[in-house]
Amino acid sequence: DSGVTQTPKHLITATGQRVTLRCSPRSGDLSVYWYQQSLDQGLQFLIQYYNGEERAKGNILERFSAQQFPDLHSELNLSSLELGDSALYFCASSTTGGIAGAYNEQFFGPGTRLTVL
Amino acid sequence: AQSVTQLGSHVSVSEGALVLLRCNYSSSVPPYLFWYVQYPNQGLQLLLKYTTGATLVKGINGFEAEFKKSETSFHLTKPSAHMSDAAEYFCAVTMSGASKIIFGSGTRLSIRP
Repeated sequence: DSGVTQTPKHLITATGQRVTLRCSPRSGDLSVYWYQQSLDQGLQFLIQYYNGEERAKGNILERFSAQQFPDLHSELNLSSLELGDSALYFCASSTTGGIAGAYNEQFFGPGTRLTVL
Repeated sequence: AQSVTQLGSHVSVSEGALVLLRCNYSSSVPPYLFWYVQYPNQGLQLLLKYTTGATLVKGINGFEAEFKKSETSFHLTKPSAHMSDAAEYFCAVTMSGASKIIFGSGTRLSIRP
């Protein structure tokens, strides 16, 4: 158990809908990262938040957004869903947010499997 | 830019045989390299990592990997496969101060009885 929790475990919805995925980082971790794992794209970094602020952006679609709340939990919002958005969405957390000269080990949650029908 | 290539999307070995999963990376700066394992319906678990120092790194469950700068490789090995090693393995790269980790496409390891 990594200490990172994600809810829900599974989500089934229809095209055009909007969903929210939730992540609670390990106790004391300030950074949250979101990744998408799909069959055709593999594992891709979406976005990072550090202590409530966006720190880095990856291959995140404009239909997707995220935020990190004062209690450090994070939500990933996916809107206008398409069939191709079906994937496993992982959240990871680390102690810090990317410091020059340091590696911040990321601990991954179990993921949320999203199925868009 | 950084990238990772994993050779072989599926590797099958007999129980007790040597496991060798191949990973080559591309990086214009000194890389940090990782191997993660993903068991069915679970998240990613860090097996081992190379940041600096000794190029042969040992991880959990008897796995080890060697960083070879001249070959830009970071292959994962285990002397004797166990049935419980069946999983998906991901090689990944990042660099000092970076936020994102770049993952390879993964290698599914199957173990034959």
